[in-house]
Amino acid sequence: GAVVSQHPSRVICKSGTSVKIECRSLDFQATTMFWYRQFPKKSLMLMATSNEGSKATYEQGVEKDKFLINHASLTLSTLTVTSAHPEDSSFYICSARDSGSSGKKTQYFGPGTRLLVL
Amino acid sequence: DAKTTQPPSMDCAEGRAANLPCNHSTISGNEYVYWYRQIHSQGPQYIIHGLKNNETNEMASLIITEDRKSSTLILPHATLRDTAVYYCIVSRMNFGNEKLTFGTGTRLTIIP
Repeated sequence: GAVVSQHPSRVICKSGTSVKIECRSLDFQATTMFWYRQFPKKSLMLMATSNEGSKATYEQGVEKDKFLINHASLTLSTLTVTSAHPEDSSFYICSARDSGSSGKKTQYFGPGTRLLVL
Repeated sequence: DAKTTQPPSMDCAEGRAANLPCNHSTISGNEYVYWYRQIHSQGPQYIIHGLKNNETNEMASLIITEDRKSSTLILPHATLRDTAVYYCIVSRMNFGNEKLTFGTGTRLTIIP
């Protein structure tokens, strides 16, 4: 149980284009999902908290207009990197918090999406 | 969330127990200790968490000191697949939507 998927696993795009990354909780409901990014040899940095049916909460220094987050259902959150530039190249990872009463109330992570902007 | 301190790297022989320490001297009463690991180029994997009592599951054991200022993650019989970066995190995640703040973790290398 407690599986989180991400799609795509890897994407290469041209500078100036937008890229959408999906995060799904496959066997549990998640009212809250989180988006992280990770640069090579660095730790995970939280970008934003995604709440189902409401606006996302962004961490300090993260541009909300550049990283659009939508959490339209209890099992799906999307991150759209708008007008991507080479400096946006990174490993993007989502996590979902099991909000069910039988869940461990911990976060489960997706496998990550590697974005390369040329 | 309280900060944690972990050694940057450790080695362990295959088949032996791997003991990973974590200091969290400023932990507050409602903060849990969580352990995750990240194998290269993958998302973090949940291992175990606890509040006061020692915990054990199919992956590992978590020993928390009585004063809760430190803990040890134990992998009882390490295999090569346990090579990863291990993160110790303290969080009030059982309450509301508290975040996980990742530190630099311990890079554990299992030696054949």
